[in-house]
Amino acid sequence: DQQVKQNSPSLSVQEGRISILNCDYTNSMFDYFLWYKKYPAEGPTFLISISSIKDKNEDGRFTVFLNKSAKHLSLHIVPSQPGDSAVYFCAASAYAGGTSYGKLTFGQGTILTVHP
Amino acid sequence: DTEVTQTPKHLVMGMTNKKSLKCEQHMGHRAMYWYKQKAKKPPELMFVYSYEKLSINESVPSRFSPECPNSSLLNLHLHALQPEDSALYLCASSPQAGHLKPTRYTEAFFGQGTRLTVV
Repeated sequence: DQQVKQNSPSLSVQEGRISILNCDYTNSMFDYFLWYKKYPAEGPTFLISISSIKDKNEDGRFTVFLNKSAKHLSLHIVPSQPGDSAVYFCAASAYAGGTSYGKLTFGQGTILTVHP
Repeated sequence: DTEVTQTPKHLVMGMTNKKSLKCEQHMGHRAMYWYKQKAKKPPELMFVYSYEKLSINESVPSRFSPECPNSSLLNLHLHALQPEDSALYLCASSPQAGHLKPTRYTEAFFGQGTRLTVV
């Protein structure tokens, strides 16, 4: 059961334009969401996060939007740059109670290619 | 220092070998994780250590044995692996495991990974 889904395996965008990466989740217990960027042969790098008490979080060129009723989040990159080309993973976390842990459930990833 | 360092970067081992993967962080993080990532798949959680104690084992076969000697180090001991265990093994750390309210404490920092090939 894929609790976090990124339905677009790939996205191609022109430099300077907006990149929009989407993520859907099914587990209503998720209360914290993160985006990671991954280059080949490297570990994922944390980009931006949002908690379920917010619907938007901005950090420079990156903005994450959360729509709890739709169980949907998106990452906007404006303006897109060729160096943004990478695999982007959406991840979600839920408070598990007691000896809870920060388990991250990842989506399948979206390959973003930004063309000069 | 905001790095999680993993060694070795690449490892080739036979099915009868015993080897260990190592992970180190000096950010004072109290939670450390092992993830496994197969090609074109998302990372999958294997183990979570919280305050140097194993808190989660995601039904990982016993041929993978984690160890947390201290708060900065995390090892993964490998024995009698199968070719299907070939993957990128990622270590991660976060300030703490779990949270009472949505916080930043689950933001995990990942190492570069160890590319493991079992022959």
